[in-house]
Amino acid sequence: DAKTTQPPSMDCAEGRAANLPCNHSTISGNEYVYWYRQIHSQGPQYIIHGLKNNETNEMASLIITEDRKSSTLILPHATLRDTAVYYCIVSVSSGNTPLVFGKGTRLSVIA
Amino acid sequence: NAGVTQTPKFQVLKTGQSMTLQCAQDMNHNSMYWYRQDPGMGLRLIYYSASEGTTDKGEVPNGYNVSRLNKREFSLRLESAAPSQTSVYFCASRAGTGGYNEQFFGPGTRLTVL
Repeated sequence: DAKTTQPPSMDCAEGRAANLPCNHSTISGNEYVYWYRQIHSQGPQYIIHGLKNNETNEMASLIITEDRKSSTLILPHATLRDTAVYYCIVSVSSGNTPLVFGKGTRLSVIA
Repeated sequence: NAGVTQTPKFQVLKTGQSMTLQCAQDMNHNSMYWYRQDPGMGLRLIYYSASEGTTDKGEVPNGYNVSRLNKREFSLRLESAAPSQTSVYFCASRAGTGGYNEQFFGPGTRLTVL
């Protein structure tokens, strides 16, 4: 699986958009970009995933660059409850392939 | 649906003791996983079971054994616990068929080995 690089920490003001970057310059054509988050040592929670098109769901938006070497997770209106560690993962789409987690980005939403 | 459940939630062991961490899912998922998370670190894969009857090693399998008891249950055993195994252990499951499907995690077991 391709390796990802994320900043170790970020701050965001409550109510503002949080933009979390991820570099994955060695991504292969059949690999997806997944985002998970972990709130206060709970089990990680799925947020969103994408291949090459931008994706949006009720939680977030995922913007993938045209060359697919980087992506940005956007939380449009961050709340204090969005304070968590966010993991960007690159993996093939096979249904049972284990996800490989890095250290992620610790996002702190500040009132 | 309870999702993925893990027992116990907390455990303290002495060096050399053995124990089994239990995991069960009620989502009829084919694939199950065991991860460990050390302080300030990401999750590392210990073992996984792509389907009932199969198990495979992950990144850090040494010191652990697993059993896929049936489709619902996947246990992790520490035969002789060591302080280096102090960690939070997460079980996860996934449908495991077709294309992408979400990986669901349990609440974790916090293990301390003295």
